[in-house]
Amino acid sequence: RKEVEQDPGPFNVPEGATVAFNCTYSNSASQSFFWYRQDCRKEPKLLMSVYSSGNEDGRFTAQLNRASQYISLLIRDSKLSDSATYLCSGTYKYIFGTGTRLKVLA
Amino acid sequence: NAGVMQNPRHLVRRRGQEARLRCSPMKGHSHVYWYRQLPEEGLKFMVYLQKENIIDESGMPKERFSAEFPKEGPSILRIQQVVRGDSAAYFCASSPSRDGPSPLHFGNGTRLTVT
Repeated sequence: RKEVEQDPGPFNVPEGATVAFNCTYSNSASQSFFWYRQDCRKEPKLLMSVYSSGNEDGRFTAQLNRASQYISLLIRDSKLSDSATYLCSGTYKYIFGTGTRLKVLA
Repeated sequence: NAGVMQNPRHLVRRRGQEARLRCSPMKGHSHVYWYRQLPEEGLKFMVYLQKENIIDESGMPKERFSAEFPKEGPSILRIQQVVRGDSAAYFCASSPSRDGPSPLHFGNGTRLTVT
């Protein structure tokens, strides 16, 4: 089993839709988890940190489920500009999942 | 700009030449990570370094690849005798501590093309 796993997608959704991604991890040593956004041919940029209590930033909600060893990202009211690849990582060795590609369609 | 600085942005090498990629971490960060990304693929961990020490190089190919992070100056990823399969984007990231809790901060990458 890979240390961090993501469904590569692509997820094609219409504008305004709600979409959710999961990321599973096998090593429970990570103190913290993060979602990053990567646009084509650019560097990953931190989208948000993920806390056990869950956190929300505008249209984005991230949750951590330590018992089941996964983190999730929910995007509400999708915009065309949300089209990107979403990567997850924990702090243990900072290993990344392969990323989930999202394409928001007009 | 106090961000992670990588150079060059683009590097073209002929097969058999050497490629040297440089990374200066964010101010105050002493932990550097190198990743390789092939087109349409995820970030693959290569090596983790602290000043003057290689902590984890489990993701580095055994031959032709080496990395260093000297006491003074940037971290260097060196690829000797490049082959076409080395063509990729190489990202460097830094953090202030090992294993968290802070996220990584990425440089804008070096795109290596081997002709």
